[in-house]
Amino acid sequence: SQTIHQWPATLVQPVGSPLSLECTVEGTSNPNLYWYRQAAGRGLQLLFYSVGIGQISSEVPQNLSASRPQDRQFILSSKKLLLSDSGFYLCAWSVNLGAGNTIYFGEGSWLTVV
Amino acid sequence: DAKTTQPNSMESNEEEPVHLPCNHSTISGTDYIHWYRQLPSQGPEYVIHGLTSNVNNRMASLAIAEDRKSSTLILHRATLRDAAVYYCILKVTGNQFYFGTGTSLTVIP
Repeated sequence: SQTIHQWPATLVQPVGSPLSLECTVEGTSNPNLYWYRQAAGRGLQLLFYSVGIGQISSEVPQNLSASRPQDRQFILSSKKLLLSDSGFYLCAWSVNLGAGNTIYFGEGSWLTVV
Repeated sequence: DAKTTQPNSMESNEEEPVHLPCNHSTISGTDYIHWYRQLPSQGPEYVIHGLTSNVNNRMASLAIAEDRKSSTLILHRATLRDAAVYYCILKVTGNQFYFGTGTSLTVIP
């Protein structure tokens, strides 16, 4: 069966510090991968998605970036965090079966920028 | 991306059925209607999806209007564990999944 893991689960970072969140998927090949952010009390915002190694699409302009160095690894990064980067970050995957496919989420990472 | 409209919040008594509405008046012929739910401090989980016909699974039922401009997620007997934010999304061809703010369901014991 397929599993998705992301880490760290929680972190507190000072403003201006770098960020690296990692996500891996097991049990499937060539998945679509996603990073979402959820601010406190808000909906889910799609940040990045990737259909293959090295292929990243950005949904919103921001100081975050994403990379996909391996088929089942997705990394969210920042060189300098802002207070507004605080939130709940979710990695997700889906298979490319068109409009009927479903998306599966990881456990999430709580980021607090202080 | 195609838009959906849901009430911000709803309440239900435990053991009673819950009907969660969703309007998607701009839906196109190839858009699938998906429902997900998010428990506190967790990522969303898949509930059900459909295209034109009503759908049933072990978690819920999905009733789709004949013109497809609206749908209703039906939880047949609400339990306290069903308290969550429920998202109705339209899945168009392509790879993106766009979530709105959903409906926060409170289940009253």
